Amino acid sequence: AQKITQTQPGMFVQEKEAVTLDCTYDTSDPSYGLFWYKQPSSGEMIFLIYQGSYDQQNATEGRYSLNFQKARKSANLVISASQLGDSAMYFCAMREGGMTGGGNKLTFGTGTQLKVEL
Amino acid sequence: DGGITQSPKYLFRKEGQNVTLSCEQNLNHDAMYWYRQDPGQGLRLIYYSQIVNDFQKGDIAEGYSVSREKKESFPLTVTSAQKNPTAFYLCASSIQTGSNTEAFFGQGTRLTVV
Repeated sequence: AQKITQTQPGMFVQEKEAVTLDCTYDTSDPSYGLFWYKQPSSGEMIFLIYQGSYDQQNATEGRYSLNFQKARKSANLVISASQLGDSAMYFCAMREGGMTGGGNKLTFGTGTQLKVEL
Repeated sequence: DGGITQSPKYLFRKEGQNVTLSCEQNLNHDAMYWYRQDPGQGLRLIYYSQIVNDFQKGDIAEGYSVSREKKESFPLTVTSAQKNPTAFYLCASSIQTGSNTEAFFGQGTRLTVV
């Protein structure tokens, strides 16, 4: 079974509008972390935002926020006021378990290609 | 500047040859990772290392080998046993402690078998 599911292969959004990228996850571990990364066409992976399974509040980082719904096992990324530079591939990833015995290895979804239009 | 350096950026290999991808970090991170990225499949873990002289197989280790002789370096060898090596390879590192510990990635190496 897929541990991280991103059901939107591609998304379009108008500049200055908000967009939500979906991510659902599957784990039986009570301790886990959820990450979003941005991958521009150049290939590097840029960390955007993190949500821990025990965090009480949804994470926010500038224009990025994470809509964390634990009971639904979803961790959607919301980008507000989209900019042309936001056009990229976006990956949701999960780290399971505590920090001992596994390091910080991540399981990735298949990604969502976002295109911001004028 | 602190970061992760992967070299080369582009690599061409003839079928049947082994090739080694370099990954160096100056972030003083204990853990390092190798991921493979194919179109439409996201990133898949090849090998990871939590400490010098120790490493573990990831989800797709067959046809690959690694070493971790120094904290700063985690080279990946793509052997002739890897049947479909053409892909984008990403190296990453992270600290071992703390809950909010994202992985930092290098710029990647694009390997093509010719």
